[in-house]
Amino acid sequence: KNEVEQSPQNLTAQEGEFITINCSYSVGISALHWLQQHPGGGIVSLFMLSSGKKKHGRLIATINIQEKHSSLHITASHPRDSAVYICAVRVTGNQFYFGTGTSLTVIP
Amino acid sequence: DAGITQSPRHKVTETGTPVTLRCHQTENHRYMYWYRQDPGHGLRLIHYSYGVKDTDKGEVSDGYSVSRSKTEDFLLTLESATSSQTSVYFCAISDPTRGRVNYNEQFFGPGTRLTVL
Repeated sequence: KNEVEQSPQNLTAQEGEFITINCSYSVGISALHWLQQHPGGGIVSLFMLSSGKKKHGRLIATINIQEKHSSLHITASHPRDSAVYICAVRVTGNQFYFGTGTSLTVIP
Repeated sequence: DAGITQSPRHKVTETGTPVTLRCHQTENHRYMYWYRQDPGHGLRLIHYSYGVKDTDKGEVSDGYSVSRSKTEDFLLTLESATSSQTSVYFCAISDPTRGRVNYNEQFFGPGTRLTVL
């Protein structure tokens, strides 16, 4: 069973497009984490949120605790945004469950 | 960026040999984790530690053991490597005890690519 589901699995966009990546989860959580994995393999933390919305540059993350759903939005997408975006949820015991990731390709 | 290093970064070994991967942090974070990443799967927890000498199993712990004798070091050992343990291994750190939600974030090491022939 997958505690965390992401959609879409793969996404191709033209430069400048608005992008949305979705994450749904089935367990009780204390926080949700969005991560970015670069083509070289490194994993970078983007956002940690437990309610509402957070914004950093062109990235916006929202979470709806009642619906057990989060979205990551990228405005004015750029080829350098091409990466795998991973959703993870923090559960009791400070453990994390991870989605399988959304592979984003932004074409110039 | 959090100070996390992993060694080695790449390793090729033969079936049946013991392998130890090292994770070293300079952030004094309480929690340390070992994950493996395989195609078609999200990151899967192997073992984690919530303090010196305090460790627990994750969902894919069979064939792996860990040790944490110092806050900064978390070792992952494959007692007798098998081809199914070919994977990319990531170490991560976290500390939820610092009073701010941002400190619940996990910070990841650069990964170790292990190939078992």
